[in-house]
Amino acid sequence: GDSVTQMEGPVTLSEEAFLTINCTYTATGYPSLFWYVQYPGEGLQLLLKATKADDKGSNKGFEATYRKETTSFHLEKGSVQVSDSAVYFCALSGGNFNKFYFGSGTKLNVKP
Amino acid sequence: GAVVSQHPSWVICKSGTSVKIECRSLDFQATTMFWYRQFPKQSLMLMATSNEGSKATYEQGVEKDKFLINHASLTLSTLTVTSAHPEDSSFYICSARPAGSEDTQYFGPGTRLTVL
Repeated sequence: GDSVTQMEGPVTLSEEAFLTINCTYTATGYPSLFWYVQYPGEGLQLLLKATKADDKGSNKGFEATYRKETTSFHLEKGSVQVSDSAVYFCALSGGNFNKFYFGSGTKLNVKP
Repeated sequence: GAVVSQHPSWVICKSGTSVKIECRSLDFQATTMFWYRQFPKQSLMLMATSNEGSKATYEQGVEKDKFLINHASLTLSTLTVTSAHPEDSSFYICSARPAGSEDTQYFGPGTRLTVL
């Protein structure tokens, strides 16, 4: 069945460091791919998405490219800020009802 | 736009009682709503898919008689945890898909359930 695997955390970085959070997926068909962010005490918010191969989603300095050949959707940011500290979830949507399947989440801690 | 609310935001109940959680799409109509459960430091686990006016579809391993889902209107779905036990304590999150959208979901802020 469909599934998402993302790197385990926590990831601790200093402010202005480069961020990569790896995400790979298994799916039948052509899923849409997403990154969601969950700030402490809040619900999930859509960060970015890509709906087909080679699409690049971007928002707030974060980017991820839909790579069909490697079944990956790695999240990157060139210079993280303390305010980026949160839990990041990779997800795919596909199959019947376009159900969402989430990765296990990666906690990011950014230190000043 | 695209706001989803949940009520209550947290609830504490005694073992054996039932608890109802509401999920509302405030500014759009949602033909499909989803219910998730999130364990501490873990990902969201899809529990069931709810379509307006029809019975919910439950994921494998989720007891439909324990987690009753009703999607009575295009803006409201409810999850009732019946005869709650301490192991049902968790963070329950709903999401709503706008009518006409295939892969967009908007998430509610979640409900923290604690069963004593």
